[in-house]
Amino acid sequence: GQQVMQIPQYQHVQEGEDFTTYCNSSTTLSNIQWYKQRPGGHPVFLIQLVKSGEVKKQKRLTFQFGEAKKNSSLHITATQTTDVGTYFCAALGGAQKLVFGQGTRLTINP
Amino acid sequence: DVKVTQSSRYLVKRTGEKVFLECVQDMDHENMFWYRQDPGLGLRLIYFSYDVKMKEKGDIPEGYSVSREKKERFSLILESASTNQTSMYLCASWVSHNSPLHFGNGTRLTVT
Repeated sequence: GQQVMQIPQYQHVQEGEDFTTYCNSSTTLSNIQWYKQRPGGHPVFLIQLVKSGEVKKQKRLTFQFGEAKKNSSLHITATQTTDVGTYFCAALGGAQKLVFGQGTRLTINP
Repeated sequence: DVKVTQSSRYLVKRTGEKVFLECVQDMDHENMFWYRQDPGLGLRLIYFSYDVKMKEKGDIPEGYSVSREKKERFSLILESASTNQTSMYLCASWVSHNSPLHFGNGTRLTVT
């Protein structure tokens, strides 16, 4: 079935540094979604990318979908303590189900 | 705003017990899902349902069953709980594959 690999598994940064997490698939994806899970919370939808080469921004967050629609990235510029959490990518698998990457846990040193 | 409610935040059960995890959504979504979340493994799909009385196996259905008797309610059943089913269980629902997945707050199940 559909699999998405996400790296890194963990990332620790100093506040103000940038952060990037990557999501890769061996097959072409129809779309990709990104979620954020705060510590002790549940995943919350951030964004969906659909088009090849698409780039979307939400304040300090930049989301990209690769030209071949096999990879995606989330980049956070100048991290803040509120960015702490686990970031997941998710892609549509067969039969209308969403398959999640393993997640990248971001911790920040203030 | 969509609300997905899971009946328990924490549960402690003994090995061999039958366990019911309940989930209710209030937005008339046809599609509902049960995931379990374990460190380093992300969210893994157990079962999902796209209509009342319909169910489909996810990636890790062994040891679990589900029930969807009403559109708003999707139950996960552990027929005979085992310690390797200690985990965080997340229920979710969505309108369609092009819309956000809405999660409940999760149930942290401990099987001793």
